[in-house]
Amino acid sequence: QKEVEQDPGPLSVPEGAIVSLNCTYSNSAFQYFMWYRQYSRKGPELLMYTYSSGNKEDGRFTAQVDKSSKYISLFIRDSQPSDSATYLCAIYKAAGNKLTFGGGTRVLVKP
Amino acid sequence: NAGVTQTPKFRILKIGQSMTLQCTQDMNHNYMYWYRQDPGMGLKLIYYSVGAGITDKGEVPNGYNVSRSTTEDFPLRLELAAPSQTSVYFCASSYSLGLNTEAFFGQGTRLTVV
Repeated sequence: QKEVEQDPGPLSVPEGAIVSLNCTYSNSAFQYFMWYRQYSRKGPELLMYTYSSGNKEDGRFTAQVDKSSKYISLFIRDSQPSDSATYLCAIYKAAGNKLTFGGGTRVLVKP
Repeated sequence: NAGVTQTPKFRILKIGQSMTLQCTQDMNHNYMYWYRQDPGMGLKLIYYSVGAGITDKGEVPNGYNVSRSTTEDFPLRLELAAPSQTSVYFCASSYSLGLNTEAFFGQGTRLTVV
């Protein structure tokens, strides 16, 4: 079983729709949770991070963590064509200094 | 602002050849990493370094070597290229680890071994 599972997509939505992305993880020792965005042929860039259960908002982006279910989500409101990218969840465990990435979900927002 | 710079951007190697992927960062970050990214598989850590002179293995170190003689540079060496090493390689750096850690990535090196 992979430590971090993510549906590869692609996820295709019309402009203005809400994009919902999810990751599940198996190791309850994971502490910090991040979402990276990766445009085609570019390196990933950090979107958001959180370490507690609950919601964290940043503009059109909301990150949600449910530690009891080992489930993290990213919601993109009012999606734009410029949001078309691959979104990777990343989970960090302090013991061992380990950052584990999910496989990424490819999102396509159609105008 | 250069950030993390990787060279080359593309490379085709024959089986058994060797090469060095270069990585330089100008942010004075102590932590540097090499990842490989295969389609649908996410990023797998090959090696990382917590400072000049200190390196350690990640999840998939076999077939690779690294060195960290300066804070800025973290080259990745492939000694005997194999088709299984066909991938996109990303170098990254960060100021610290843990919360508030943002890893800054280079543009990637697309390597094909034939």
